[in-house]
Amino acid sequence: KNQVEQSPQSLIILEGKNCTLQCNYTVSPFSNLRWYKQDTGRGPVSLTIMTFSENTKSNGRYTATLDADTKQSSLHITASQLSDSASYICVVSSSGGSYIPTFGRGTSLIVHP
Amino acid sequence: NAGVTQTPKFRVLKTGQSMTLLCAQDMNHEYMYWYRQDPGMGLRLIHYSVGEGTTAKGEVPDGYNVSRLKKQNFLLGLESAAPSQTSVYFCANSYGALGKGGQPQHFGDGTRLSIL
Repeated sequence: KNQVEQSPQSLIILEGKNCTLQCNYTVSPFSNLRWYKQDTGRGPVSLTIMTFSENTKSNGRYTATLDADTKQSSLHITASQLSDSASYICVVSSSGGSYIPTFGRGTSLIVHP
Repeated sequence: NAGVTQTPKFRVLKTGQSMTLLCAQDMNHEYMYWYRQDPGMGLRLIHYSVGEGTTAKGEVPDGYNVSRLKKQNFLLGLESAAPSQTSVYFCANSYGALGKGGQPQHFGDGTRLSIL
């Protein structure tokens, strides 16, 4: 069964600090991995999309890494801001023809001033 | 440019009532999806469509029906609402299949539905 596990479940950091969120998956065959940011009361917004051949992808202060061998991804947030407070969701899609990507449960990040 | 718009934003129903949630896009994307999001769980796919006039079942389709009569609209229906259907419903679209390359997926801001 395809699964996506995210850790930690929740995280509290001080403004200006860096943090790293983890995503482990068992989806096979692998097609791509996405990181989304979901603000409270809003829909998810795409941060990065990584395919098999990509190891690192950045979007401003957000940097995602992918290790397809160990089936792990991380999302690193640099110099956190109060606006980074949100849920971060990892989503993995299979290349097996399915239109059903597997969503992680998300990491809730709170940035305190 | 609204992207993906969902109506209504909030709704309270009584058990057994029916209703339709509307999703409209202005992006001309072929693929559209309906998800539900429950506390402590990842988004789960209810139904999806790969083009006008097509629909298919996702992970949790029971109790729901959908229609895609026009490319820009994707409707989700609850025939006889049950308390277990209390959830936040999200509509999304994508240009192509999510499992074929780096297609971005765009989400609406959700419909919060409570079934009493």
